[in-house]
Amino acid sequence: TAGITQAPTSQILAAGRSMTLRCTQDMRHNAMYWYRQDLGLGLRLIHYSNTAGTTGKGEVPDGYSVSRANTDDFPLTLASAVPSQTSVYFCASSDSSEGQGEQFFGPGTRLTVL
Amino acid sequence: GQNIDQPTEMTATEGAIVQINCTYQTSGFNGLFWYQQHAGEAPTFLSYNVLDGLEEKGRFSSFLSRSKGYSYLLLKELQMKDSASYLCAVMDSNYQLIWGAGTKLIIKP
Repeated sequence: TAGITQAPTSQILAAGRSMTLRCTQDMRHNAMYWYRQDLGLGLRLIHYSNTAGTTGKGEVPDGYSVSRANTDDFPLTLASAVPSQTSVYFCASSDSSEGQGEQFFGPGTRLTVL
Repeated sequence: GQNIDQPTEMTATEGAIVQINCTYQTSGFNGLFWYQQHAGEAPTFLSYNVLDGLEEKGRFSSFLSRSKGYSYLLLKELQMKDSASYLCAVMDSNYQLIWGAGTKLIIKP
């Protein structure tokens, strides 16, 4: 069982360039999430989707966009990357957007913007 | 504002017991989660508390006091593989997880 996968594993990107981070899950989970993790800070929610066809903004959405065309895929796009977007990005999914549904995390994408 | 506080780093000895504390102030409460994260890896789920009291799961236990805004994760019979960061997260009134910065646990032989 693959669970949740992310691509690429790591990337170095020039400032001003665009990039899409891919996330795919095979668990048929309704809810999906994008977080960024920076040293000394907790995971911060960028965008989320409670079900296919809907998305919402998290704590730090500026500079990022998402789409949820189907249950399995939840890509994150940086339209014009800036150095402050250098971070480790985690995609996660859960069976339920409410209550005790644990979130399952992908392996992460390490992004460096120069 | 919303805030989750946990110690930055703790050190313990193999075979011993360690308690990692977490205090929180959030807009609403729909449960508290503990996750483990080894260096360079993704977080993995450890426990969930929504009612006051202790939840035991093998060598790991998690305690919650909602009136005090407090939780702890108790790890018994420490093993070297327990060296990791432990993340406390609270689900707020919007069902979004608010994460602490994590506690790095160092296990010494």
